[in-house]
Amino acid sequence: QKEVEQNSGPLSVPEGAIASLNCTYSDRVSQSFFWYRQYSGKSPELIMSIYSNGDKEDGRFTAQLNKASQYVSLLIRDSQPSDSATYLCAVNGKGSARQLTFGSGTQLTVLP
Amino acid sequence: DVKVTQSSRYLVKRTGEKVFLECVQDMDHENMFWYRQDPGLGLRLIYFSYDVKMKEKGDIPEGYSVSREKKERFSLILESASTNQTSMYLCASSPRPSETQYFGPGTRLTVL
Repeated sequence: QKEVEQNSGPLSVPEGAIASLNCTYSDRVSQSFFWYRQYSGKSPELIMSIYSNGDKEDGRFTAQLNKASQYVSLLIRDSQPSDSATYLCAVNGKGSARQLTFGSGTQLTVLP
Repeated sequence: DVKVTQSSRYLVKRTGEKVFLECVQDMDHENMFWYRQDPGLGLRLIYFSYDVKMKEKGDIPEGYSVSREKKERFSLILESASTNQTSMYLCASSPRPSETQYFGPGTRLTVL
């Protein structure tokens, strides 16, 4: 089992819809969870971090964490074509320093 | 704003050459990381460093070495480049290993 798993997609949604991106992780003691956005040919940039169960909202983005189910998700409301990118989930993992482990990413396309 | 810079955006080398990729961060972060990113494989950790002159192997250290002589600078060395090391190389830094990582722009290395 991979430490951090994401559906690779591609996920396509129409402009204005809600995009839902999901991530599961294997380490029950993980405490830090992050969503990054990566445009084609660019480096990842942080969108949100979440540490506690429940929802965390920032503008059009909502991160949801359920530690019991080992599940973290990202909702993008009112999706825009500029949201088209690959979204990476990162979780602090099993490494010696509990450094982040990244999922392989979900490719999102927002159709005008 | 955290700034992480990498010495080159694009690099073309020949098989057997010694290759140096340099990364500099300006936020006094203790931790620095080198990843490679390949289609379908996501971000894979090569090495990380949690202090000057300290380093730890990541998931795929074979064929690579690193150097950290100063806190702000972390170098990745390919002792004898091979074609299977053609990839996007990303450097990142963070205040703590389990915390948010800030990425440089990446170096796209092609080994012919």
